[in-house]
Amino acid sequence: EVQLVESGGGLVQPGESLRLSCVDSGSVFRHHWLHWVRQAPGKGLDWVSRINNEGTFTTYADSVKGRFTISRDNAKKTLYLQMNSLKVEDTAVYYCTRDPYVIGAFDIWGQGTVVTVSP
Amino acid sequence: QSVLTQPPSASGTPGQGVTISCFGGRLNVGSNSVNWYQQLPGTAPKLLIYNTDLRPSGIPDRFSGTKSGTSASLTIGNLQAEDESDYYCTVWDDALNAVIFGGGTKLTVL
Repeated sequence: EVQLVESGGGLVQPGESLRLSCVDSGSVFRHHWLHWVRQAPGKGLDWVSRINNEGTFTTYADSVKGRFTISRDNAKKTLYLQMNSLKVEDTAVYYCTRDPYVIGAFDIWGQGTVVTVSP
Repeated sequence: QSVLTQPPSASGTPGQGVTISCFGGRLNVGSNSVNWYQQLPGTAPKLLIYNTDLRPSGIPDRFSGTKSGTSASLTIGNLQAEDESDYYCTVWDDALNAVIFGGGTKLTVL
């Protein structure tokens, strides 16, 4: 069974950085596009970024472009999200997800990791 | 405000059917596949419908999806108490070059 487990969340001040990780405990990580999706407290889902299966192509939401960097290490079966210059509005639960059809259909989700940005 | 518009709430009684709409535009719903998610409180979303009208393994056939032009719909038949949840539509937007989510619909089973 494929499982995704996020880590790296925490409480930081505005302007600081965090790096999120998402480890795949299964065996099909390397063949699929992966995404980060977030959800602010009491709000809806918000797409953050995606990366192709080889790690050579990335896309970002305008709200994080230039501040966040998605990457992956297929040998370690790990997805990353480097978050710099964090803002209060980045406070959310961050989920990593798998997109097997490359159409934004996320069939497997991690449990989420909480990022809180507060002065 | 989301580019994809969903009603904030919907309701139905057990055994009934309910339809949740998702209105978009030519460069998102009108051009690409729509996907639907169910999210129970405190849990990660679950994929219900992908590629507009396909169900992943394990999703009951009470859940179905359709699309016409720039609007899509999720229909839940034979409503059950455990269907009470938040539902989101999502699609790729060719103009924004991004995945976009609808604002979500909170379904109440009366």
